[in-house]
Amino acid sequence: DAGVIQSPRHEVTEMGQEVTLRCKPISGHNSLFWYRQTMMRGLELLIYFNNNVPIDDSGMPEDRFSAKMPNASFSTLKIQPSEPRDSAVYFCASSAGRGPGSPLHFGNGTRLTVT
Amino acid sequence: GQQLNQSPQSMFIQEGEDVSMNCTSSSIFNTWLWYKQEPGEGPVLLIALYKAGELTSNGRLTAQFGITRKDSFLNISASIPSDVGIYFCAGPPNTGNQFYFGTGTSLTVIP
Repeated sequence: DAGVIQSPRHEVTEMGQEVTLRCKPISGHNSLFWYRQTMMRGLELLIYFNNNVPIDDSGMPEDRFSAKMPNASFSTLKIQPSEPRDSAVYFCASSAGRGPGSPLHFGNGTRLTVT
Repeated sequence: GQQLNQSPQSMFIQEGEDVSMNCTSSSIFNTWLWYKQEPGEGPVLLIALYKAGELTSNGRLTAQFGITRKDSFLNISASIPSDVGIYFCAGPPNTGNQFYFGTGTSLTVIP
């Protein structure tokens, strides 16, 4: 049974470049979450979707960040233009969404380095 | 956003010892989740708690949902080297659907 799949695992890019992170949630899950993890700030919720609709994007740091979920099996997080302070590990998670307490299942993350 | 405080921040223990850690919040939570994260991987769910006072075990792990609904506890009995990792508490506060994560407890087990 495949878990949450993220790609790429690692991304190194130069400041100013566009970065696109991809996520395939667990089949049948209807909620999808994007988190960012850094040493200083821990795990921060950026945005979450329910049934492909963005519900809360208040954690998205700036207009440079955007997320889409065109269908139930795919989501992207885009940073344009990227900056060195965006360097972090970005996690995607999904849940069955039966209620607010439905556990999250995480992918293995994308480690982003912006030079 | 919501702040969940975990303590201790880090622990260094001998193999075979028991471990206790806790998580506190300023808001009431309806659900408490405990995750473990190993290097290079995403957090993995260990235990989910849904009711105040609930005590749930998963092997050597036991977690409790505090009766005030503002805290939770995780215990690991007879620690082994593979218990090494960072343990996070998480949950949605009573007022929303967002999942907030604690600051983490880093566990090192010395063989």
